[in-house]
Amino acid sequence: SAVISQKPSRDICQRGTSLTIQCQVDSQVTMMFWYRQQPGQSLTLIATANQGSEATYESGFVIDKFPISRPNLTFSTLTVSNMSPEDSSIYLCSVAKAGHTDTQYFGPGTRLTVL
Amino acid sequence: QKEVEQNSGPLSVPEGAIASLNCTYSDRVSQSFFWYRQYSGKSPELIMSIYSNGDKEDGRFTAQLNKASQYVSLLIRDSQPSDSATYLCAVNITPTGANSKLTFGKGITLSVRP
Repeated sequence: SAVISQKPSRDICQRGTSLTIQCQVDSQVTMMFWYRQQPGQSLTLIATANQGSEATYESGFVIDKFPISRPNLTFSTLTVSNMSPEDSSIYLCSVAKAGHTDTQYFGPGTRLTVL
Repeated sequence: QKEVEQNSGPLSVPEGAIASLNCTYSDRVSQSFFWYRQYSGKSPELIMSIYSNGDKEDGRFTAQLNKASQYVSLLIRDSQPSDSATYLCAVNITPTGANSKLTFGKGITLSVRP
């Protein structure tokens, strides 16, 4: 596994603003992912963060709304842009290591509330 | 749409009983299967993975996979109140040439009553 941290752990934001969430891993990982978990729901994959190139977004998610960076093998950011109350959710990053890229480990999550 | 389905819950069992959690998936080419446990207010924690047909045991947990029936289950023996959580089934459904990724079921909430 890996030790994964996320910042911030929670935040309350105003409508129309943006928030950048950081995900830091204690060792190099092959893959990093960003998920959303809305209240009482399961996990929905937003995108795969690719090191050195643009993220791969899932259907229903676009780069303008959720820009993602991954400058190296241990760090990624997700920005939630122009927020609305519907963006209130838990945002989770997960990682997978080389040789076991199908096995994902999750960070502690960021609880976002948009007023 | 490739789907992962879990029994609607919640599931309540008495302490010491066997809890049986079930999951079906729609994509026949899926190759790897996972069970995550998520305590309220926490992030998912990987508890079991299984790749081959049959049973895989780890302590009180047993994962069972039947690819012909597209069915994966998790048995928890000697259930404890600390097992009370939401259990998420996840399946690796990866299109050819694409990056590996998981699809999650909606989860089932288990309550173990003392």
